[in-house]
Amino acid sequence: KAGVTQTPRYLIKTRGQQVTLSCSPISGHRSVSWYQQTPGQGLQFLFEYFSETQRNKGNFPGRFSGRQFSNSRSEMNVSTLELGDSALYLCASSLVSGNTIYFGEGSWLTVV
Amino acid sequence: AQKVTQAQTEISVVEKEDVTLDCVYETRDTTYYLFWYKQPPSGELVFLIRRNSFDEQNEISGRYSWNFQKSTSSFNFTITASQVVDSAVYFCALSWDNYGQNFVFGPGTRLSVLP
Repeated sequence: KAGVTQTPRYLIKTRGQQVTLSCSPISGHRSVSWYQQTPGQGLQFLFEYFSETQRNKGNFPGRFSGRQFSNSRSEMNVSTLELGDSALYLCASSLVSGNTIYFGEGSWLTVV
Repeated sequence: AQKVTQAQTEISVVEKEDVTLDCVYETRDTTYYLFWYKQPPSGELVFLIRRNSFDEQNEISGRYSWNFQKSTSSFNFTITASQVVDSAVYFCALSWDNYGQNFVFGPGTRLSVLP
């Protein structure tokens, strides 16, 4: 059974640009959540989607957005990139709320 | 508010030593779930264990064991006879029932097992 797949794994962007990250959940999982991990702030929750609806959102500016498609695949977008957006972005999926979440390998974003 | 504390930022042990990673949580919910994840250098968080608030039984899985004590709001993780491959960052996490997926992670403990 394939795990959570995230693409791209590594990317470098310039300040002011925008970036889109993709996540394919484990087959059958309908909940997809996103996390940002930085050395200073640790793991922080970005948002969660279930059946194409955003159910929860963390405390991030509006530059961070996401969506989920009918096949449960999800994308997150960060616009007007700032240096502080450099981080590991992790996607996780679960069957339903309260279940264990399983993570992908993450997308390493560097903003220069 | 829900919160997870892992007071140990970094721990170094020599191979074959036993090591315990501490986790203290805060929640007012009566139904909640506790987790441990391992993050090797590759970045992926690997699920280790899930415990719900109604099950205080300790768990043992090979060299890993977990001690859940509601009275002290702790969910500690012990690795027996540590190995170099255990070197990673370990996260304790708390989830609770509410609309949507709710997770809060501790700051993590970096474990280095030296040969």
